[in-house]
Amino acid sequence: GESVGLHLPTLSVQEGDNSIINCAYSNSASDYFIWYKQESGKGPQFIIDIRSNMDKRQGQRVTVLLNKTVKHLSLQIAATQPGDSAVYFCAESPDYKLSFGAGTTVTVRA
Amino acid sequence: DAGVIQSPRHEVTEMGQEVTLRCKPISGHNSLFWYRQTMMRGLELLIYFNNNVPIDDSGMPEDRFSAKMPNASFSTLKIQPSEPRDSAVYFCASSRDGQPQHFGDGTRLSIL
Repeated sequence: GESVGLHLPTLSVQEGDNSIINCAYSNSASDYFIWYKQESGKGPQFIIDIRSNMDKRQGQRVTVLLNKTVKHLSLQIAATQPGDSAVYFCAESPDYKLSFGAGTTVTVRA
Repeated sequence: DAGVIQSPRHEVTEMGQEVTLRCKPISGHNSLFWYRQTMMRGLELLIYFNNNVPIDDSGMPEDRFSAKMPNASFSTLKIQPSEPRDSAVYFCASSRDGQPQHFGDGTRLSIL
């Protein structure tokens, strides 16, 4: 079946730098995309979402970009902080069902 | 405001025993999801309820797994009999129509 995948399993970033986490999806029927952050021992925490009628959406220090032509999703975190260290998951959905990627572990260096 | 509440947070039991995981969704949410997370398979959807009715249980591994939602504020996931390969973190999530799913902090289940 179709699934969501991530380009890199780990990302190390210097505190204060910007982070970019990439995600590829393959289900062309998906019209809803979402990013979650998961810290150790906790459940996935909603960060930001985007629908297929948009190509960019901004939140607080985060921006999600959607490129439907190449089925690519990215999450940009501005001025990365130690508290941003976590596993980040992208997920896609054509309906109610979310399909999650494998996750990218982000480590912030002091 | 209270998020999704799951209990217990940790469960260790011997194979063959019955395991019951509990979930209280966010008040006002009409959809509830049970997921399982393992290193090998990541996050997998087990079952989805909408307005307390099971809509999609295609992710339930086998007949040993069952889930109920007797009312809008409570759901259970039961494994009977449990096996070591059921060891995982089980998450419950809830949402309102068209809104993002919000997850609980999970139950870490270990079957010995």
